[in-house]
Amino acid sequence: GESVGLHLPTLSVQEGDNSIINCAYSNSASDYFIWYKQESGKGPQFIIDIRSNMDKRQGQRVTVLLNKTVKHLSLQIAATQPGDSAVYFCAENPARPSQMDSSYKLIFGSGTRLLVRP
Amino acid sequence: GAVVSQHPSRVICKSGTSVKIECRSLDFQATTMFWYRQFPKKSLMLMATSNEGSKATYEQGVEKDKFLINHASLTLSTLTVTSAHPEDSSFYICSARSAGDATQYFGPGTRLLVL
Repeated sequence: GESVGLHLPTLSVQEGDNSIINCAYSNSASDYFIWYKQESGKGPQFIIDIRSNMDKRQGQRVTVLLNKTVKHLSLQIAATQPGDSAVYFCAENPARPSQMDSSYKLIFGSGTRLLVRP
Repeated sequence: GAVVSQHPSRVICKSGTSVKIECRSLDFQATTMFWYRQFPKKSLMLMATSNEGSKATYEQGVEKDKFLINHASLTLSTLTVTSAHPEDSSFYICSARSAGDATQYFGPGTRLLVL
């Protein structure tokens, strides 16, 4: 079946270092991907997105890379800070829904916990 | 922009009672709202998709008579957990998207505890 998964359930990094969180997806027809950050007891927060016609997109301290050949997505966080500690989820939007289905569902990965050591 | 609120943030109720959770898009019109359930240290599990003015579409295994969803306006959707039982205790999160945008913006979640 379709799935979005993560290679590392927990990632521990030193404050100031760069972090790389990985995600594998199985639906080659997916055309839109999102990274969310979820802090304890809160709802997911949108970080950055990328469409399938791109292979890289940069935001403030974050970069998302998309490798469609191997169906791999990654989130890079530069100069990781204590406030970056959270669980990070990747999500994919399967191929554009038919006219009968405009729901734009997202399929979520299992999440990676990022721990930032002071 | 793209702010979604939920109310209440947490609720404790007795077994057998019903609980209503509200989800509002504060600065955009949400053509579609989604309701998720999340267990501790787990990913988000989609329960249902709600399009304004139409009946919700439930995921397989989710009882529509147990989890009543109403999406009466472009800024408000409600989830009612009917005849709640302790196993319904969970973190319920809604999200919303506007027309033509696949991005979902999430609310802060509602912690439900059924005694």
